[in-house]
Amino acid sequence: NAGVTQTPKFQVLKTGQSMTLQCAQDMNHNSMYWYRQDPGMGLRLIYYSASEGTTDKGEVPNGYNVSRLNKREFSLRLESAAPSQTSVYFCASSETPGLQGWKTQYFGPGTRLLVL
Amino acid sequence: KNQVEQSPQSLIILEGKNCTLQCNYTVSPFSNLRWYKQDTGRGPVSLTIMTFSENTKSNGRYTATLDADTKQSSLHITASQLSDSASYICVVISNYGQNFVFGPGTRLSVLP
Repeated sequence: NAGVTQTPKFQVLKTGQSMTLQCAQDMNHNSMYWYRQDPGMGLRLIYYSASEGTTDKGEVPNGYNVSRLNKREFSLRLESAAPSQTSVYFCASSETPGLQGWKTQYFGPGTRLLVL
Repeated sequence: KNQVEQSPQSLIILEGKNCTLQCNYTVSPFSNLRWYKQDTGRGPVSLTIMTFSENTKSNGRYTATLDADTKQSSLHITASQLSDSASYICVVISNYGQNFVFGPGTRLSVLP
């Protein structure tokens, strides 16, 4: 049981290049999330997928696209990377929110991205 | 504007000492509040979840308090250990939508 895994761990891009960050979870969770974490700021939600086949924008979606490939996998794509997208990206998953509200999120180890 | 503030920004204590981290929020409507621990180079890990009706919740040496009237929460760490060195993040969840509001975190360093 690996939990939430992310690839790659590190990546350096030049401005304008594209790349896809991969995320997979083996906890049979319906909901998955992509966040970015910048120094001195809290994590900010980029996109989320409440269930397989659905995706929705979060707080900072501009410059990103996502794909919920299946229940296990949720990828984040940067079509044309910009220096402002230099950040640490975290994927998370959780059970479907119940009557008591949102469930605990389980985070991956993160992908450190540098855009030159 | 929904916001979560944490203080102090960073804290250094000696091993075995106690400490208290603060979280103030303006998120509304409130659903629940969570404290996460984030080790350097790792993703956050949940410590506690507190709902509106809960005032205190403990998880080992970690005790979280919540005052929903003043919109404040604290995380008290007892008998600190070197492994407690990490960032501690307060997260407030709103009832509506996927509204998770993360605080910037408090960086705790425990020295021998």
